[in-house]
Amino acid sequence: DAGITQSPRHKVTETGTPVTLRCHQTENHRYMYWYRQDPGHGLRLIHYSYGVKDTDKGEVSDGYSVSRSKTEDFLLTLESATSSQTSVYFCAIGDRGNGYTFGSGTRLTVV
Amino acid sequence: GESVGLHLPTLSVQEGDNSIINCAYSNSASDYFIWYKQESGKGPQFIIDIRSNMDKRQGQRVTVLLNKTVKHLSLQIAATQPGDSAVYFCAETYTGTASKLTFGTGTRLQVTL
Repeated sequence: DAGITQSPRHKVTETGTPVTLRCHQTENHRYMYWYRQDPGHGLRLIHYSYGVKDTDKGEVSDGYSVSRSKTEDFLLTLESATSSQTSVYFCAIGDRGNGYTFGSGTRLTVV
Repeated sequence: GESVGLHLPTLSVQEGDNSIINCAYSNSASDYFIWYKQESGKGPQFIIDIRSNMDKRQGQRVTVLLNKTVKHLSLQIAATQPGDSAVYFCAETYTGTASKLTFGTGTRLQVTL
């Protein structure tokens, strides 16, 4: 979607390797979110940010860390990837007052 | 394509008929609700929203109904078209939660010709 970009779009990595996914926005939005999506589940919140260097955990944060050193970028890191982290990852920006916009997703496969 | 819909409930509707997709939510504090449409390989797209001070809201061909008493949300799509085929999610949030959205598990809508 315009204003929010995820990279890479697809990635295959080996178990135990570190992986970083990037979410970039051009909307200057305060709030950014990382979700994962798995079969049989809706989107589940991993971590979110409410400002530069202000982040907090979501419902499925184990094994993930995030960083936000500037407004436009929100990074999701898997310190040591596991097969259970094979998923589609979505970044979102927005809030309840202005609505939300989702990125196109990153398909991550851990082999 | 996406494998997100492997275990989803499916609603099959004939083209031109009306569709009704339901969603139950559990948090009585939730006061803002959104319906999203997700097509294969894409992120969720906003369809319509409703706040808890309303029972009904209408958009173009879509209507959302909110029943707070039984914590139930529904999405009605009028004159369903093949392009409506997708997975539909409801999402909820509440004041004081940093605008975090909680999603339902989704329903796949299949439109038959």
